[in-house]
Amino acid sequence: QSVLTQPPSASGTPGQRVTISCSGSSSNIGSNIVSWYQQLPGTAPKLLIYTNNQRPSGVPDRFSGSKSGTSASLAISGLQSEDEADYYCAAWDDSLNGVVFGGGTKLTVL
Amino acid sequence: EVQLVESGGGLVQPGGSLRLSCAVSGFTFSSYWMHWVRQAPGKGLVWVSRINSDGSITSYADSVKGRFTISRDNAKNTLNLQMNNLRAEDTAVYYCARGKLGAFDYWGQGTLVTVSS
Repeated sequence: QSVLTQPPSASGTPGQRVTISCSGSSSNIGSNIVSWYQQLPGTAPKLLIYTNNQRPSGVPDRFSGSKSGTSASLAISGLQSEDEADYYCAAWDDSLNGVVFGGGTKLTVL
Repeated sequence: EVQLVESGGGLVQPGGSLRLSCAVSGFTFSSYWMHWVRQAPGKGLVWVSRINSDGSITSYADSVKGRFTISRDNAKNTLNLQMNNLRAEDTAVYYCARGKLGAFDYWGQGTLVTVSS
């Protein structure tokens, strides 16, 4: 059971916009910044979003992040087949004194 | 080009020990916090440990506290994870990752640790 809660799966058709949620608590998302990671099959995770809504250079602007209260979201617009991957949210947890991850969301492009 | 390359994984019996290393290049290693994150087969990401830039501050997940020790050698640009008293539930791919602005901005390719008799 992960500290941050994500839906186990999400799906969309090419060109669609999909959103992945990440729910936490006051000790993690509610008081700390959120990051998002993309993990393609058989590869290491890659940073998609940091500081709630910032994109590293090289990440397409189709990816966007937001945070409100104790929840965060990752939005992917103009869905492409290469977006099919697992997505994870993460944040520092003040109570656990460590980084916590969501359980991951498997995105399928139909 | 930033590179992180883990090594040291393998098969070990329960109760055994293993030392993982992460060799880095392409950035000033001594300026960054570094982390270990693991992923059990078919499961999600789990943070394991972190160390600050000069090695004076370390943190561990409760599941490994007292068994794992993170360290670094800034002269050799190397991050280490000493794992003792290994359990079956420690079986995972172990990634080293660079910390920046509260995120993990670069990751290694991972090294597989299998704990089994």
